[in-house]
Formats: sequence, C-alpha cells, structure tokens
Amino acid sequence: DTGVSQNPRHKITKRGQNVTFRCDPISEHNRLYWYRQTLGQGPEFLTYFQNEAQLEKSRLLSDRFSAERPKGSFSTLEIQRTEQGDSAMYLCASGRSENTEAFFGQGTRLTVV
Amino acid sequence: AQSVTQLGSHVSVSEGALVLLRCNYSSSVPPYLFWYVQYPNQGLQLLLKYTSAATLVKGINDFEAEFKKSETSFHLTKPSAHMSDAAEYFCAVSPSWNTGNQFYFGTGTSLTVIP
Repeated sequence: DTGVSQNPRHKITKRGQNVTFRCDPISEHNRLYWYRQTLGQGPEFLTYFQNEAQLEKSRLLSDRFSAERPKGSFSTLEIQRTEQGDSAMYLCASGRSENTEAFFGQGTRLTVV
Repeated sequence: AQSVTQLGSHVSVSEGALVLLRCNYSSSVPPYLFWYVQYPNQGLQLLLKYTSAATLVKGINDFEAEFKKSETSFHLTKPSAHMSDAAEYFCAVSPSWNTGNQFYFGTGTSLTVIP
C-alpha cells in the first residue's frame, strides 16, 4: 500500500494555459474524490467517482474544470484556460464505498501567473 | 445541508498543556464526523472518526473527540501537547446516508505549541 499518489506536486502555469493533474488512488479503492483547497480554507469538494462512473460533478467550479477516470483506476483533473483564481492546492482522496474513510494524497499545488 | 464551524482559527498552547480544538456541526440527520490533521505542504491525515458507535472516539497520537448530539459538537482534545502536534486541524462532516461520502470541511484551526 503506497497511499494516494498525486503528480505533479507543484505546477506553475501562465494564465490561459491548460493544466492536467493525475491521481493514483490506493489500488483496492473504488471511490476517488477531488477537492480544492485555497489558502486559509478547508478543502472544498469538487467531484467524485465510483469505479469509472462520475457520480457527482455539479460542484465542479466551472465548465473549465473536468475530470476523468477512464478505467476506474487513476484519475485526471483538467483545468482549461487557467485563471489566477485557480491557484490552489488540488487534493485527491480515495476510499471504499462500504467504508466512511477517505485517504488523501499530498496534493498538487497550482500557481497561475 | 451539512456544515462545520471551527471556533478559533488559531490556538496556542504550551508544551504539555491540554489541547482543545472546537468543532460544531450542522446536519439534518446524524452525520459522520472526522478530524484530520495537515502539516505544511502535505495532504490530510485522518486523526479519528465518529460513525454512530461510541460517542467518545480515540484516535492516533493520543487525540480523542466526543460526539455530543445535544450540543451538535465534536471537539478534539489531547491531554498533553507535544511540539510535533503543531499543524492545521480540520473538522469534517459527511452525511450518514450513502451520498458518496463527500466531506464538508471547516475552515481549520492552526495549532501552535509553545516550548
């Protein structure tokens, strides 16, 4: 069990560029979550998957945000046409549907300049 | 709707003193409740959770929390603070029905331990 892995750990991008983050969950976990955390705030739920199905995406911040989990294993979060307000820590978590716990990765810190 | 309020964005205690971090929740049904700790530039680590079993929950590193339904509270305590406890602490609530275990987090409490 290597835990939840997120790549890259840090990303600096220019405003208007697209970015993609990857999350590799704990292997036996069927649920995968994305959260955003801005400075001084708690994590904010964005979306989640059960296996490959995206069961909740209404909390994605805008249509510039999208997430995929094509084979029910790793997931990607893409932000198109980044804005300075997108600068934040993006956290991924995984868990089992029969369990209440979620295990978090170390996050990807995005800086939009 | 679910929400969490953490009273006190910054708490300072002396090494060896009692730690008390406050959390109040709002939920239309009895929720699941969690405390997570976050060290700088790290993800969140689960300290403990309440899932409708015992109201006094013990977690890692001698932390514990008590679920009080009448007060809608889930305060985190530790009898004796250690320097390594300095971190950001988040209380979170999740609905007890199966809605995907989405967590709603408080704004966090930064704990400083004074030597």
